[in-house]
Amino acid sequence: EAEVAQSPRYKITEKSQAVAFWCDPISGHATLYWYRQILGQGPELLVQFQDESVVDDSQLPKDRFSAERLKGVDSTLKIQPAELGDSAMYLCASSPRTDTQYFGPGTRLTVL
Amino acid sequence: AQSVTQPDIHITVSEGASLELRCNYSYGATPYLFWYVQSPGQGLQLLLKYFSGDTLVQGIKGFEAEFKRSQSSFNLRKPSVHWSDAAEYFCAVGGNNNDMRFGAGTRLTVKP
Repeated sequence: EAEVAQSPRYKITEKSQAVAFWCDPISGHATLYWYRQILGQGPELLVQFQDESVVDDSQLPKDRFSAERLKGVDSTLKIQPAELGDSAMYLCASSPRTDTQYFGPGTRLTVL
Repeated sequence: AQSVTQPDIHITVSEGASLELRCNYSYGATPYLFWYVQSPGQGLQLLLKYFSGDTLVQGIKGFEAEFKRSQSSFNLRKPSVHWSDAAEYFCAVGGNNNDMRFGAGTRLTVKP
């Protein structure tokens, strides 16, 4: 069964450093999402791509976060500089154009 | 704006007992409704979804959910809980443009 891949699974960094997360969606899925999940809460959407275009990035803190999906396949989410409050699980999901979202295993970020 | 409320933060049930997790939603149109399960440190796995049709939906692992439009609810049920069902459960609501909002989650503990 096809799955969404994410790496790394765990990342520890110091504040003010740059971090990057990678996501490879299920093959053929046009829509890709990045979510942030703070411990004890539900996931919150950061950015949504349709192919290589951003559909919704209204909740992305653009002063420090950036996301790209250059060829409409895999995607990278970057934080620079990282802050203590960025410690969270970062989840990637993908879906066909109008259907269910399938999630990857996530990247657990700890900022010290 | 759409929103999801999961009134129970934490539920404890005995193994073999029945389970019902509550979910109430707010959405301006006909909603798409989902239940996901998340084990510690893992991504979200889809249990079941409702798009249209029969309001009683069957999912994986013996779970089912019933859509009640008059009550704006989509409660998750299982007749007999297994120890392996201990996890965090998230209800989500979305529409046909792939936007989705999650509840804060309900943590399920299973007593032997």
